[in-house]
Amino acid sequence: AQSVTQLGSHVSVSEGALVLLRCNYSSSVPPYLFWYVQYPNQGLQLLLKYTTGATLVKGINGFEAEFKKSETSFHLTKPSAHMSDAAEYFCAVSPAYNNNDMRFGAGTRLTVKP
Amino acid sequence: DAGVTQSPTHLIKTRGQQVTLRCSPKSGHDTVSWYQQALGQGPQFIFQYYEEEERQRGNFPDRFSGHQFPNYSSELNVNALLLGDSALYLCASSFSPGQGTDTQYFGPGTRLTVL
Repeated sequence: AQSVTQLGSHVSVSEGALVLLRCNYSSSVPPYLFWYVQYPNQGLQLLLKYTTGATLVKGINGFEAEFKKSETSFHLTKPSAHMSDAAEYFCAVSPAYNNNDMRFGAGTRLTVKP
Repeated sequence: DAGVTQSPTHLIKTRGQQVTLRCSPKSGHDTVSWYQQALGQGPQFIFQYYEEEERQRGNFPDRFSGHQFPNYSSELNVNALLLGDSALYLCASSFSPGQGTDTQYFGPGTRLTVL
C-alpha cells in the first residue's frame, strides 16, 4: 500500500523567496510520484511527475522536485515565489506502472506575501 | 482540445436523495477515475472505470456506484445521501496502455452540498 505525508499544512513565504514544500512517501513497491496544484474552486493541475530515470524533475511554472529514495522524499521547490503561486499543493503516489490507485497527501496551502 | 469536463458545477441535495454526476474525458483517454475531496483534505480515490467496467475501487460503500459508456464518458451515482457526502467530486481521465494507466488529468469538479 502507498501513502503520502505532507509536512506543514500551511507555508508562508515572501515574494521572491525560496519555496519548499515537503513530501514523504511510503510504498511497498517502486513508486510514481506527482505534484498537483489546486487553485480556489478549481480542479487539480499536474505540476510535475517522477516515473523513472532522472531523479530531478522539472515541471511547469518554474517548479522542480527531486526523488530521493534513501529519504523516501519528493520535496517541491521553486527558487523565487510569485504572488500567482498562492494555491493548495498536493503530493501523490501510485505504484510504478500501475497508476490505477493514486493516493494523495492532505495538501499544503502556500501563501505568498508581497 | 477540450480537457476533462464535468457537470453540473454545483449541486444541492437533501439527505436520502440520490445524485448523478457526469464526466467527459480528455480526447484520446479511455479511463476515468473518480475522487472525493472533502473540505480541507486531499482527494480520496473512489473507483476507476476502464472498458466500461469498474477496474479498481477504493474504500467507499456500495452507495457509490458508477458507469462508463462506449464513448468513455462516465457517471458517478450516490444513493441515500448523507451529510458527510458533501464534498468536491473530481473526475480524472487517462490512457491505459496495459494493466496500469498513464498520468491522470483532472476536471474542475462538481461541488455537492447535502442538507
